[in-house]
Amino acid sequence: DTEVTQTPKHLVMGMTNKKSLKCEQHMGHRAMYWYKQKAKKPPELMFVYSYEKLSINESVPSRFSPECPNSSLLNLHLHALQPEDSALYLCASSQGGVVGAFFGQGTRLTVV
Amino acid sequence: EDQVTQSPEALRLQEGESSSLNCSYTVSGLRGLFWYRQDPGKGPEFLFTLYSAGEEKEKERLKATLTKKESFLHITAPKPEDSATYLCAVQAGAAGNKLTFGGGTRVLVKP
Repeated sequence: DTEVTQTPKHLVMGMTNKKSLKCEQHMGHRAMYWYKQKAKKPPELMFVYSYEKLSINESVPSRFSPECPNSSLLNLHLHALQPEDSALYLCASSQGGVVGAFFGQGTRLTVV
Repeated sequence: EDQVTQSPEALRLQEGESSSLNCSYTVSGLRGLFWYRQDPGKGPEFLFTLYSAGEEKEKERLKATLTKKESFLHITAPKPEDSATYLCAVQAGAAGNKLTFGGGTRVLVKP
Protein backbone atom coordinates (compact mmCIF):
# COMPACT_ATOMS: atom_id res chain seq x y z
CA ASP A 1 0.00 0.00 0.00
CA THR A 2 1.70 3.18 -1.22
CA GLU A 3 -1.27 5.43 -0.73
CA VAL A 4 -1.74 8.71 1.09
CA THR A 5 -5.44 9.43 1.53
CA GLN A 6 -6.75 12.96 1.91
CA THR A 7 -10.27 14.04 2.81
CA PRO A 8 -12.26 15.86 1.72
CA LYS A 9 -11.35 16.12 -1.97
CA HIS A 10 -13.09 19.48 -2.28
CA LEU A 11 -13.99 22.06 0.36
CA VAL A 12 -15.73 25.41 0.13
CA MET A 13 -15.68 27.50 3.29
CA GLY A 14 -16.55 30.98 4.35
CA MET A 15 -14.06 33.32 5.95
CA THR A 16 -15.61 32.83 9.40
CA ASN A 17 -15.78 29.03 9.24
CA LYS A 18 -13.65 26.47 11.00
CA LYS A 19 -12.83 23.33 9.05
CA SER A 20 -10.22 20.55 9.08
CA LEU A 21 -8.34 18.69 6.38
CA LYS A 22 -7.38 15.09 7.09
CA CYS A 23 -4.57 12.91 5.83
CA GLU A 24 -3.86 9.23 6.49
CA GLN A 25 -1.07 6.84 5.51
CA HIS A 26 -0.41 3.22 6.46
CA MET A 27 3.08 2.82 5.04
CA GLY A 28 4.79 3.20 8.40
CA HIS A 29 6.29 6.49 7.31
CA ARG A 30 7.66 8.64 10.13
CA ALA A 31 7.64 12.00 8.34
CA MET A 32 4.46 13.74 7.20
CA TYR A 33 4.09 17.02 5.36
CA TRP A 34 1.59 19.69 4.41
CA TYR A 35 2.13 21.59 1.15
CA LYS A 36 0.10 24.36 -0.48
CA GLN A 37 -0.06 24.62 -4.26
CA LYS A 38 -1.48 27.49 -6.28
CA ALA A 39 -2.41 27.09 -9.94
CA LYS A 40 0.58 26.60 -12.26
CA LYS A 41 3.01 26.91 -9.34
CA PRO A 42 5.09 24.26 -7.57
CA PRO A 43 4.10 22.97 -4.12
CA GLU A 44 5.19 25.16 -1.22
CA LEU A 45 6.08 23.52 2.06
CA MET A 46 3.99 24.53 5.06
CA PHE A 47 4.76 22.04 7.85
CA VAL A 48 6.80 18.92 8.51
CA TYR A 49 6.17 16.41 11.27
CA SER A 50 8.90 13.96 12.14
CA TYR A 51 8.08 11.16 14.57
CA GLU A 52 4.82 12.98 15.40
CA LYS A 53 6.62 16.16 16.41
CA LEU A 54 6.51 19.41 14.45
CA SER A 55 9.99 19.85 13.01
CA ILE A 56 9.49 22.54 10.35
CA ASN A 57 7.02 25.43 10.22
CA GLU A 58 7.63 27.62 7.19
CA SER A 59 6.33 30.76 8.89
CA VAL A 60 2.75 29.82 8.10
CA PRO A 61 0.01 32.17 9.44
CA SER A 62 -1.66 31.00 12.64
CA ARG A 63 -4.99 30.58 10.86
CA PHE A 64 -3.47 27.25 9.73
CA SER A 65 -2.93 24.87 12.64
CA PRO A 66 -1.41 21.42 12.07
CA GLU A 67 -1.92 18.42 14.30
CA CYS A 68 -0.42 14.92 14.24
CA PRO A 69 -2.56 12.70 16.53
CA ASN A 70 -0.53 9.57 15.76
CA SER A 71 2.01 8.23 13.29
CA SER A 72 -0.63 7.55 10.61
CA LEU A 73 -2.72 10.69 10.78
CA LEU A 74 -2.14 14.34 10.01
CA ASN A 75 -4.72 17.11 10.28
CA LEU A 76 -4.72 20.72 9.19
CA HIS A 77 -7.18 22.91 11.08
CA LEU A 78 -8.39 25.99 9.26
CA HIS A 79 -9.90 29.11 10.84
CA ALA A 80 -10.66 32.59 9.56
CA LEU A 81 -9.10 31.99 6.17
CA GLN A 82 -8.81 34.58 3.42
CA PRO A 83 -9.79 34.16 -0.25
CA GLU A 84 -6.09 34.14 -1.17
CA ASP A 85 -5.76 30.91 0.85
CA SER A 86 -7.74 29.12 -1.87
CA ALA A 87 -5.42 26.45 -3.27
CA LEU A 88 -4.74 22.73 -3.54
CA TYR A 89 -3.54 21.45 -0.17
CA LEU A 90 -1.31 18.41 -0.43
CA CYS A 91 -0.31 15.95 2.24
CA ALA A 92 2.78 13.78 1.80
CA SER A 93 4.66 11.19 3.77
CA SER A 94 8.10 9.60 3.64
CA GLN A 95 10.37 7.27 5.57
CA GLY A 96 12.35 10.32 6.62
CA GLY A 97 15.93 10.84 5.57
CA VAL A 98 16.70 11.28 1.89
CA VAL A 99 13.95 9.34 0.16
CA GLY A 100 11.09 10.28 -2.09
CA ALA A 101 7.88 11.47 -0.48
CA PHE A 102 4.51 10.07 -1.50
CA PHE A 103 1.76 12.63 -2.05
CA GLY A 104 -1.97 12.38 -1.63
CA GLN A 105 -4.38 13.62 -4.27
CA GLY A 106 -4.97 16.85 -2.43
CA THR A 107 -7.89 18.86 -1.11
CA ARG A 108 -9.09 21.63 -3.39
CA LEU A 109 -9.98 24.46 -0.99
CA THR A 110 -12.03 27.47 -1.98
CA VAL A 111 -12.50 30.30 0.50
CA VAL A 112 -15.49 32.54 -0.22
CA GLU B 1 19.18 29.79 0.08
CA ASP B 2 18.57 26.69 -2.02
CA GLN B 3 17.42 27.40 -5.57
CA VAL B 4 16.01 25.11 -8.23
CA THR B 5 15.30 26.25 -11.79
CA GLN B 6 13.59 24.15 -14.44
CA SER B 7 13.61 24.74 -18.18
CA PRO B 8 11.82 25.03 -20.43
CA GLU B 9 8.61 26.14 -18.71
CA ALA B 10 6.55 24.38 -21.37
CA LEU B 11 7.32 21.82 -24.06
CA ARG B 12 5.14 20.68 -26.95
CA LEU B 13 6.20 17.43 -28.55
CA GLN B 14 4.89 15.23 -31.31
CA GLU B 15 4.37 11.62 -30.34
CA GLY B 16 7.68 9.83 -30.75
CA GLU B 17 9.75 13.04 -30.62
CA SER B 18 12.34 12.54 -27.86
CA SER B 19 13.42 15.50 -25.73
CA SER B 20 15.05 16.48 -22.44
CA LEU B 21 13.96 18.59 -19.48
CA ASN B 22 16.53 20.46 -17.42
CA CYS B 23 16.70 21.06 -13.66
CA SER B 24 19.58 23.23 -12.46
CA TYR B 25 20.20 23.69 -8.76
CA THR B 26 22.23 25.78 -6.34
CA VAL B 27 22.25 24.23 -2.89
CA SER B 28 24.49 23.83 0.13
CA GLY B 29 25.29 20.15 0.18
CA LEU B 30 22.91 18.21 -2.07
CA ARG B 31 21.53 15.16 -0.27
CA GLY B 32 19.08 14.08 -2.95
CA LEU B 33 17.30 15.23 -6.12
CA PHE B 34 13.81 14.03 -6.89
CA TRP B 35 11.66 13.96 -10.02
CA TYR B 36 7.88 13.95 -9.84
CA ARG B 37 5.10 13.85 -12.41
CA GLN B 38 1.91 15.80 -11.75
CA ASP B 39 -1.36 15.58 -13.65
CA PRO B 40 -3.81 18.52 -13.46
CA GLY B 41 -5.68 18.65 -10.16
CA LYS B 42 -3.78 15.67 -8.76
CA GLY B 43 -0.92 15.25 -6.30
CA PRO B 44 2.64 14.75 -7.56
CA GLU B 45 3.63 11.17 -8.36
CA PHE B 46 7.13 10.16 -7.30
CA LEU B 47 9.37 9.05 -10.17
CA PHE B 48 13.08 8.99 -9.18
CA THR B 49 15.61 9.83 -6.52
CA LEU B 50 19.20 10.66 -7.52
CA TYR B 51 21.89 11.00 -4.88
CA SER B 52 25.23 11.66 -6.56
CA ALA B 53 26.74 12.96 -9.79
CA GLY B 54 26.89 10.33 -12.51
CA GLU B 55 23.85 8.46 -11.23
CA GLU B 56 21.12 7.47 -13.68
CA LYS B 57 17.65 6.01 -13.16
CA GLU B 58 15.18 4.71 -15.75
CA LYS B 59 11.49 3.95 -15.81
CA GLU B 60 9.72 3.07 -19.05
CA ARG B 61 10.32 6.01 -21.44
CA LEU B 62 11.89 8.21 -18.76
CA LYS B 63 15.55 8.45 -17.82
CA ALA B 64 16.93 10.79 -15.18
CA THR B 65 20.59 11.79 -14.90
CA LEU B 66 22.50 13.93 -12.41
CA THR B 67 25.60 16.12 -12.59
CA LYS B 68 27.07 18.40 -9.93
CA LYS B 69 25.00 21.33 -11.14
CA GLU B 70 21.95 19.94 -12.91
CA SER B 71 19.71 17.01 -13.68
CA PHE B 72 18.07 15.99 -16.91
CA LEU B 73 14.88 14.06 -17.48
CA HIS B 74 15.01 12.44 -20.90
CA ILE B 75 11.73 11.39 -22.47
CA THR B 76 12.29 8.83 -25.21
CA ALA B 77 9.63 8.36 -27.90
CA PRO B 78 6.92 10.01 -25.79
CA LYS B 79 3.26 9.07 -25.97
CA PRO B 80 0.26 11.34 -25.31
CA GLU B 81 -0.10 9.77 -21.85
CA ASP B 82 3.28 11.26 -20.94
CA SER B 83 1.64 14.70 -21.02
CA ALA B 84 1.96 16.18 -17.51
CA THR B 85 3.92 18.68 -15.47
CA TYR B 86 7.30 17.33 -14.42
CA LEU B 87 8.65 18.70 -11.15
CA CYS B 88 12.20 18.58 -9.85
CA ALA B 89 12.93 18.96 -6.14
CA VAL B 90 16.06 18.95 -4.00
CA GLN B 91 16.81 18.07 -0.41
CA ALA B 92 19.92 19.80 0.89
CA GLY B 93 22.19 19.48 3.88
CA ALA B 94 20.83 22.05 6.31
CA ALA B 95 17.18 21.74 5.39
CA GLY B 96 16.25 18.51 7.15
CA ASN B 97 13.29 16.86 5.45
CA LYS B 98 12.41 19.96 3.42
CA LEU B 99 12.03 19.63 -0.35
CA THR B 100 12.65 22.72 -2.49
CA PHE B 101 10.78 22.48 -5.79
CA GLY B 102 11.54 23.99 -9.16
CA GLY B 103 8.79 25.69 -11.16
CA GLY B 104 8.07 22.61 -13.26
CA THR B 105 7.98 21.88 -16.98
CA ARG B 106 4.56 21.39 -18.59
CA VAL B 107 4.86 18.75 -21.28
CA LEU B 108 2.22 18.25 -23.95
CA VAL B 109 2.61 15.30 -26.32
CA LYS B 110 0.40 15.46 -29.39
CA PRO B 111 -0.60 12.33 -31.30
